[in-house]
Amino acid sequence: GQNIDQPTEMTATEGAIVQINCTYQTSGFNGLFWYQQHAGEAPTFLSYNVLDGLEEKGRFSSFLSRSKGYSYLLLKELQMKDSASYLCAVNVDNDMRFGAGTRLTVKP
Amino acid sequence: DTEVTQTPKHLVMGMTNKKSLKCEQHMGHRAMYWYKQKAKKPPELMFVYSYEKLSINESVPSRFSPECPNSSLLNLHLHALQPEDSALYLCASSQTTGQGYEQYFGPGTRLTVT
Repeated sequence: GQNIDQPTEMTATEGAIVQINCTYQTSGFNGLFWYQQHAGEAPTFLSYNVLDGLEEKGRFSSFLSRSKGYSYLLLKELQMKDSASYLCAVNVDNDMRFGAGTRLTVKP
Repeated sequence: DTEVTQTPKHLVMGMTNKKSLKCEQHMGHRAMYWYKQKAKKPPELMFVYSYEKLSINESVPSRFSPECPNSSLLNLHLHALQPEDSALYLCASSQTTGQGYEQYFGPGTRLTVT
């Protein structure tokens, strides 16, 4: 089977930094994606990692360690609008498998 | 144009009805997907079309029938649904199904089966 695990909920303060972890055990690996999903809306793409290391995109960074089956999404300078669910997804044999998502609440 | 459109936005149907969900993209993407998402759950893959051919069917009941009339359009035909089929149905597309191609999601159709 495919296991993709993330914390269910996290809370952070506006202006702070938060790290959302994702661990995976899958039968294959063609890359790991992070998506943001606001309540009632479609997921939107944030980042993609296929090689080990850190990818930075503005306030968002994502890290991957393939040997550890581990990734994290780092959000800096948190804003209220960052309150959303963050989905970790692994591309397995051209099939996108999503984790359950981490619901992030940003407080003033 | 980086948009995936879906119609209708909301759909209420009885268990004996037949309806269709529609999805369209004009990004030249050759892979299109249907997902089902229940509240507070991640999207679950239902079908994948690659170059207008069905490449993945995730053991979805036959009351859901996908169709890809051309490279820009994807339909999901619904017949004899059950109340537990009520969910958000998301369409997505990507350049191909290969490594590294992000999926662009449509806004979804919120389906209620009564």
